[in-house]
Amino acid sequence: AQSVTQLGSHVSVSEGALVLLRCNYSSSVPPYLFWYVQYPNQGLQLLLKYTSAATLVKGINGFEAEFKKSETSFHLTKPSAHMSDAAEYFCAVSYALNFGNEKLTFGTGTRLTIIP
Amino acid sequence: EAEVAQSPRYKITEKSQAVAFWCDPISGHATLYWYRQILGQGPELLVQFQDESVVDDSQLPKDRFSAERLKGVDSTLKIQPAELGDSAMYLCASRLINEQFFGPGTRLTVL
Repeated sequence: AQSVTQLGSHVSVSEGALVLLRCNYSSSVPPYLFWYVQYPNQGLQLLLKYTSAATLVKGINGFEAEFKKSETSFHLTKPSAHMSDAAEYFCAVSYALNFGNEKLTFGTGTRLTIIP
Repeated sequence: EAEVAQSPRYKITEKSQAVAFWCDPISGHATLYWYRQILGQGPELLVQFQDESVVDDSQLPKDRFSAERLKGVDSTLKIQPAELGDSAMYLCASRLINEQFFGPGTRLTVL
């Protein structure tokens, strides 16, 4: 079975400060890992994904994440927070049971607040 | 840029009424998903289609929920009768290779 755990349901950082959102995964097979962002009353937008290529993944809006197998982690970071980063962030894990049967399992989310 | 379309965006209904949600995936995406997202939680998969066939509906409450994708393109999710606990965001997604693209969702409120 696969799962992800997001540590911290709420994170607050000052504008310009480092953003660090934590995600740990559990998977019996090599996983695909994703970070999505959700703004109020909207769908999910993909920030970045790890699909077994480079362990440091760069995404949109200046975000990046590093896959660390030894720590079973895939934490999301951004060097300098912007007011527009305020949103809900979801980590998700997937593995392909077989072609066409891929499932995403989401974490419970982290609400990011930016302090002016 | 192609997007997943969903309608309606918001739906308010009374308990025991029937509701239906519609999703039009990105053209050419064979895999379609319906998720339910309760406030403050992550999305949970309800049903997955590959073309017109259901691949996984193990988490779909089949006594009241039904989903179809008759021509393998757009899809409808129905709830009958709606219950108070069904209040949530219902998200549709379609997949290309290893990435899912989400629609804006339908916010359902059951009174």
